[in-house]
Amino acid sequence: DARVTQTPRHKVTEMGQEVTMRCQPILGHNTVFWYRQTMMQGLELLAYFRNRAPLDDSGMPKDRFSAEMPDATLATLKIQPSEPRDSAVYFCASGRTASYNEQFFGPGTRLTVL
Amino acid sequence: AQSVTQLGSHVSVSEGALVLLRCNYSSSVPPYLFWYVQYPNQGLQLLLKYTTGATLVKGINGFEAEFKKSETSFHLTKPSAHMSDAAEYFCAVSTPNAGGTSYGKLTFGQGTILTVHP
Repeated sequence: DARVTQTPRHKVTEMGQEVTMRCQPILGHNTVFWYRQTMMQGLELLAYFRNRAPLDDSGMPKDRFSAEMPDATLATLKIQPSEPRDSAVYFCASGRTASYNEQFFGPGTRLTVL
Repeated sequence: AQSVTQLGSHVSVSEGALVLLRCNYSSSVPPYLFWYVQYPNQGLQLLLKYTTGATLVKGINGFEAEFKKSETSFHLTKPSAHMSDAAEYFCAVSTPNAGGTSYGKLTFGQGTILTVHP
C-alpha cells in the first residue's frame, strides 16, 4: 500500500531555531506539494514541484522558508529562523499529472514554535 | 483561473439524516473534480473524483457526488449520516491541460466541517 511518508510527525522547537521537514513521495509520482494548515488560514499551498523542478513557491515566505527536492524520493521544507507564527501542520502530497492530478497526502508534521 | 466555493463552513446533521455538502467551481474548461475528507489529526484522504463519463460518482463510505455542468456544481451527499462521518470535507478542482504552473495542481475550497449529532 503506497503512501506518502513525512518526518518528523511532531516537532517542538524554540523561536530562532532551524526546522527541517522531510517527505518521501509515492514512487512514480512526478508532482510534489507542500501545504500548511492552520485554523485561521485553512489549507495553503506553499510550494509545488513537477519532475523535481520547483514551479511555484509564491505561497511561501521566501525570507525564511526554502523547499528542495534533492532526488525523486525526497522533498524537504526548511524554516530558518523559525517564528511562533510558523506553528501549523505541514502536509506533503504527491501525484501524477497522468492521473487526473489526484493528490495523495502524507500524515503531516505538526510544528510548534515556542 | 479556476476556483472553488464551498457553501457553509459548518454543517450539522443528526445521525441518520441526509448529508449535503455544497461545492461550486469556476473553470474555463470541463474540470476534474474531487472531494477529500480529513479526520482529526490526519491528512486529507480522497473520497471520490469526477474525471469524465458518468456524472454521478460514488465514493467510499457511502458518499456520492454529481457533476452538474449547467450549475457548475459538484455537491457531496450521503443518504444517512453516521457518527464516524464527522470530519472536515474539502472540494477541489483541477483543469485538464492547464498551462504553466497551473498544470498538475489542485485548487481547494475552504473546507466544510461536518458535525453529526446522536
